[in-house]
Amino acid sequence: KAGVTQTPRYLIKTRGQQVTLSCSPISGHRSVSWYQQTPGQGLQFLFEYFSETQRNKGNFPGRFSGRQFSNSRSEMNVSTLELGDSALYLCASSFVGMNTEAFFGQGTRLTVV
Amino acid sequence: QQQVKQSPQSLIVQKGGISIINCAYENTAFDYFPWYQQFPGKGPALLIAIRPDVSEKKEGRFTISFNKSAKQFSLHIMDSQPGDSATYFCAAAERDQFYFGTGTSLTVIP
Repeated sequence: KAGVTQTPRYLIKTRGQQVTLSCSPISGHRSVSWYQQTPGQGLQFLFEYFSETQRNKGNFPGRFSGRQFSNSRSEMNVSTLELGDSALYLCASSFVGMNTEAFFGQGTRLTVV
Repeated sequence: QQQVKQSPQSLIVQKGGISIINCAYENTAFDYFPWYQQFPGKGPALLIAIRPDVSEKKEGRFTISFNKSAKQFSLHIMDSQPGDSATYFCAAAERDQFYFGTGTSLTVIP
């Protein structure tokens, strides 16, 4: 059974640009969550989608948005990139909701220059 | 505000020793407490998890101890091995939203 797939693995963007990251969950998983990982801050929750609806949202500015498609694949968008957005972005999928085992992808390493 | 406080930030243990990582929380609504292990270049992987109606859970060399009244939980790695060298995250979940600790970098010296 394939794991959680995130694309691309690496990205370099310029300040002010926007970026879209993709996450394909494990087959059958309908919940997808996104996290930002930075040294010293650990894993910060961005948002969670279930059946194409955003159910939970972390404390990030509106420049961070996401969506989920009918096949459970999810995308995350960051507009007007700032240097501080440089981080590893991880998505996790789970079968029902997040209070069950969540499986992480390998992440997308975003560097903003 | 960090919902889950994790310590220590880094830990060095001799092979065969016991590694202990601690976490504390305030929100009594948390009802699921997993530990994740992350190797460089990889996403976190679930190691072991516990729910608050249990005080201890053991899986192989890994044990979670949970103290509901103190709002603390800890991960014990018995007979630590060099292959256990990784970053460990504790987490707490409420209504499908996870909060992670800041991570502990564990190094096991041969």
